[in-house]
Amino acid sequence: DVKVTQSSRYLVKRTGEKVFLECVQDMDHENMFWYRQDPGLGLRLIYFSYDVKMKEKGDIPEGYSVSREKKERFSLILESASTNQTSMYLCASSPRDRSAFFGQGTRLTVV
Amino acid sequence: QKEVEQNSGPLSVPEGAIASLNCTYSDRGSQSFFWYRQYSGKSPELIMFIYSNGDKEDGRFTAQLNKASQYVSLLIRDSQPSDSATYLCAVNRGGNFGNEKLTFGTGTRLTIIP
Repeated sequence: DVKVTQSSRYLVKRTGEKVFLECVQDMDHENMFWYRQDPGLGLRLIYFSYDVKMKEKGDIPEGYSVSREKKERFSLILESASTNQTSMYLCASSPRDRSAFFGQGTRLTVV
Repeated sequence: QKEVEQNSGPLSVPEGAIASLNCTYSDRGSQSFFWYRQYSGKSPELIMFIYSNGDKEDGRFTAQLNKASQYVSLLIRDSQPSDSATYLCAVNRGGNFGNEKLTFGTGTRLTIIP
């Protein structure tokens, strides 16, 4: 089975902190994604990566950056966390032009 | 216009009936289409995918695609209470390298009434 693992299930951080969310997949997938999910807004794409060291902005990249130094790992970075970044963060991976598999999600609260 | 649109619901269907979920998309270059199910507090899980016009059946689920109308639907036959969840439609433009953004609709909340 495909496994996408996010490093934390729940996180509480303070405003202004630098936050790292880690995601690892074990299926050698080319594509990896970071989404956030908020009530009434659905899943919104923050960044995606189609290869090592390659990244593309999604629909809401402001306030976020990403890193993909190895194929299996895709990190989301909140440079200076703000309360409006409180959300459920979902990582996903997929082979080219195929369905995405999701991690269990990280519920981030910024206080 | 949103890239992927779904009726947010809630959609209530009696147990044993057919549930019909609809999705429209704006990008004619879209090549692959997915339906995900998401239970409350859980991450989305893939139910079906479809790439070609027409119907694709998998057990109680049928996905229907009409690229000319930019419309994709999911039918659930013999609905069960365990089908109660939010259903997400997702679209992938696919094709060119680096052009494979997977975009989701906001989801339709389905409730199966026993």
